[in-house]
This record gives sequence, structure tokens and C-alpha cells, in this order.
Amino acid sequence: EVQLVESGGGLVQPGGSLRLSCAASGFTFSSSNMNWVRQAPGKGLEWVSYISPGSSTIYYADSVKGRFTISRDNAKNSLYLQMNSLRDEDTAVYYCARGREQGYWGQGTLVTVSS
Amino acid sequence: DIVMTQTPLSLSVTPGQPASISCMSSQSLLHSDGKTYFYWYLQKPGQSPQLLLYEVSNRFSGVPDRFSGSGSGTDFTLKISRVEAEDVGVYYCMQSIQLPRTFGQGTKLEIK
Repeated sequence: EVQLVESGGGLVQPGGSLRLSCAASGFTFSSSNMNWVRQAPGKGLEWVSYISPGSSTIYYADSVKGRFTISRDNAKNSLYLQMNSLRDEDTAVYYCARGREQGYWGQGTLVTVSS
Repeated sequence: DIVMTQTPLSLSVTPGQPASISCMSSQSLLHSDGKTYFYWYLQKPGQSPQLLLYEVSNRFSGVPDRFSGSGSGTDFTLKISRVEAEDVGVYYCMQSIQLPRTFGQGTKLEIK
């Protein structure tokens, strides 16, 4: 069974940092493209970042470029999102999602940026 | 970036009746490999999004056959042949022909 479990969310002040993790199981993680997608409270889905299986291709939404860094550890079947210089508008539930089709999603982890 | 536009943004449907949602993309989603990288998702209340249809019309694992998809190029449609109570939630379309991936605004389906 495919499982994606996010962690690392919480309350952080504007300008602060957080590192999100996504633990993957039930599939060949090292062969899978991975994504982070977020959803602000009461809003729609916003794609955040993409990483290829070998980390050779990485892409970010303009809204997070220069502040967020996606990475992965294929030996640990884990995906990460380092978030720096956080802003109020980064408040959202963050999901990791597998593949080009984003066929599998985690349960999400809530990030709240507030003073 | 490719803009995805859904209509309507909300609809209320009597159980057993059909429903239809449209999505238009600002660029063709037909790739040179012959595939069309267009998807439909449903986010039920309090849950993560779930993939319903991939590459326009292919039902994902476990998706009931009352859900169907059609379209090509830039115009796509999701149809529910007979709406059930469990179909309530927000439906999103998405493209993955290019990065950044982009979603439609979402269509909220309610039961009358």
C-alpha cells in the first residue's frame, strides 16, 4: 500500500524557518517524481515544488522561489521542503504528492505563519 | 504559465441526477508523445485530494465508473452519470504538460 506521511508543520513567526518531511512507503521512491502542493485555509490547491528521481531537475513556483528548497534522500525514502523567510501568505496545509499524475497524496501538515 | 479555468464554480445536484464540470486550459495539453496531461481530482470535506481521472479519461484505481472524462487539446469535461451523497466536495482539474503544474479554481459540488 502506498503511503505518504508528512511531518514538521507548526506555528512559526514571520521571517522564520521550518523543514517539512514526507516519509514514503509502498512504492519505489527512488524512481518517482515528487511534488509539494499547498492549500491555504479555505482556498484552492497551489503546486509548490517538483523534484525528479535523481534530484537533477528541480522546479519551484514563483511564490516560493529563493525561499524554499526541495530535496530528497532516496536511501531513506524521504522528501523534504526547507522553508525560509516565511511569510503570512505561506500559511497552508502542505501535501507531498507522488508522480506526474500526483496519484497519491499524504494527509498534509499544517504550517501557520503568524506573530 | 498555463491557466486552468473551471466552470461552474459551484453546483447543487439531486442524488441520482447527472452532473458535469468543464475545464479549459490556456494552452494545448497534448504532448508530442501523444498523451494529454490533464487530470481531475476530488477533495472530500476534511480529506486530502484524490485522483479521479488521469490523461483525460482514465479512471484511477478504485474510482467508480459513474465518473467519466472527455475532451482534447484545451477543453475538457468531467461527468458524473448519477450523483451520490459521497460525491460531495471540491473538484479540481490540473495540467502536468509543463512546470509549474497548475490547478483550476475548484468546483464545489453539493447535494440538494
